[in-house]
Amino acid sequence: SQQGEEDPQALSIQEGENATMNCSYKTSINNLQWYRQNSGRGLVHLILIRSNEREKHSGRLRVTLDTSKKSSSLLITASRAADTASYFCATDAGTLTGGGNKLTFGTGTQLKVEL
Amino acid sequence: GAVVSQHPSRVICKSGTSVKIECRSLDFQATTMFWYRQFPKQSLMLMATSNEGSKATYEQGVEKDKFLINHASLTLSTLTVTSAHPEDSSFYICSASSWVGEKLFFGSGTQLSVL
Repeated sequence: SQQGEEDPQALSIQEGENATMNCSYKTSINNLQWYRQNSGRGLVHLILIRSNEREKHSGRLRVTLDTSKKSSSLLITASRAADTASYFCATDAGTLTGGGNKLTFGTGTQLKVEL
Repeated sequence: GAVVSQHPSRVICKSGTSVKIECRSLDFQATTMFWYRQFPKQSLMLMATSNEGSKATYEQGVEKDKFLINHASLTLSTLTVTSAHPEDSSFYICSASSWVGEKLFFGSGTQLSVL
């Protein structure tokens, strides 16, 4: 399977703490994306990092990418109860530019932020 | 941002019946749509990729005669689960991409329960 692995599988933290999730993948990629899924809902795109980038920020999110180790991390700072959700990394290893490539999703991390 | 509408959100049917799920891109033209299946607390597994006006490309192990996909226009793709059985019970999610960017826009999912 080409599916990526994420760890931890589950993470429980207190509101205000930081949450770090890791993703490892197996093939060369064009980009890596992180998505969030609330229970029983579709996925929402959070952030995309390209293979030639090492770090990217968006609000309280910080993503790193190490292509030599085929790994990425997602850091959520100052977590809130509303951040409770499942988080998935997804890799784009296709050859098309500008869209249309299928994504391979990781196994996901279930984050619970408690008050 | 771009909106993808998926309908119905939940369906309960008897074994042997067929169920159609619709996925519409509301404010952009979706050159490619993807259909995923997700079991509880697990990742998304890609079932098939559909491009407007052409036959869908199915992933290994997915029965194309059981999961019929039609992508008749740039804004609509349908997945029909034919002769559904209890083992087909799952959460089905569609996503769409355009040539604007690499990220995917997801529908809200359909929970299928086959009795």
